Parts: sequence; C-alpha cells; structure tokens
Amino acid sequence: SQQGEEDPQALSIQEGENATMNCSYKTSINNLQWYRQNSGRGLVHLILIRSNEREKHSGRLRVTLDTSKKSSSLLITASRAADTASYFCATDARAAGNKLTFGGGTRVLVKP
Amino acid sequence: SQTIHQWPATLVQPVGSPLSLECTVEGTSNPNLYWYRQAAGRGLQLLFYSVGIGQISSEVPQNLSASRPQDRQFILSSKKLLLSDSGFYLCAWSSGTGDYEQYFGPGTRLTVT
Repeated sequence: SQQGEEDPQALSIQEGENATMNCSYKTSINNLQWYRQNSGRGLVHLILIRSNEREKHSGRLRVTLDTSKKSSSLLITASRAADTASYFCATDARAAGNKLTFGGGTRVLVKP
Repeated sequence: SQTIHQWPATLVQPVGSPLSLECTVEGTSNPNLYWYRQAAGRGLQLLFYSVGIGQISSEVPQNLSASRPQDRQFILSSKKLLLSDSGFYLCAWSSGTGDYEQYFGPGTRLTVT
C-alpha cells in the first residue's frame, strides 16, 4: 500500500466553510508535503513541513504534523469555489532518497 | 524562473504502437527528474526517476522505459503499448539538494485503444 493515505477520499462543503483532510503514513520521514491538483492538470506544491515541526501556516492553509501518530492534517480556512481540487500528501521517507511517495488524495468540492 | 514542459498534451494510440513522451525543464541545472502515472481518480505512481544524465531508476516493472539524453530532458517510451498503459502521465523535477519539493508539468493524457 502507499506510504501516505488521505482521509476522507472526498469532501463537499459550502463556500466559506473550513475543509480538513488527514494523511497517515507508515515509515519515518524527513518531511511531508501537500500538493493540489486541479482536474486534468499537473500538481502544484502547497506547503512542506519538516519532521521536527508541528505546525505550519501559509495564507489560508494550516498544516499539522504528529510524528508520534505518523499523521498530518491540512486545513483550508474560509474555503472558496476556486479551492475545488484534489489534495495529495507526499512523504519524503528517510530511506527513500530523492523520491516522494504520494497518497491517493482527497477530492474537495466547494459549492458556491 | 524554472519552467517544465511536457508534450503532447493528449495522445490516442492503438495497442501495439510505440510511444514517446517528452519532458524538458528550463531555468535549472542538474535537476532530479521523475515520471509518474495517474489512473483516473487515483494517486500518483512513480515510474522512473533520474538524478543525472543516463542515470535511470525504475520503480515498477512494466512495459515502459525512460531515458535522459540531456541534463534537462526526460523521455518516456514504449515499444508496444498495452491497453493498461492508458492514463495521465506527469513529469516532475526537483532540486538535487534540499527538501525535494517537486514541480510538475501539465501532464499528457494517453488513451490506448
């Protein structure tokens, strides 16, 4: 199975609400990254959190990391219709060298 | 600034035909390069990665091969396509040092008929 697994697989919210998605992984990591993918497009890097960090903010994004539970969460506050996309976590495992391992993604639909 | 290009954007090929997808990066040198495949509604599967010219690591045994003839050029090939090769192919690059944030191209939608 994949190193990162997102939960939920799909999420539907109203504009203005917050969206929270979670990622679990199995092995020790150097860092964990979140990416966004609009339908039919390439992925866009959103935020990176290192293994010695617990929380990080970027604009309306808040990421937490709990290495004891091997999990991370991505919170999008005050969501907008333009936030509709799939969101993926990716782990840079210590044993993996230059590679990232991506989870299956969370599909987020923000309804206007 | 760095940019990454992929072509073609879409491709429809018959079973048994050859394949060549190209990816080029501008504005950086000696990048790590990656090929991924994404099935509909799924995550990314790493196919190949390269840390330098002529250096290719294969992640999954399959019908595909990759080559890196120049520092910023990465090519995905097949001699004979299978129906199961259909998917969305993404190329990405990262710096050879640091945190390995990856930057993706726009992708190629391949349909094998």
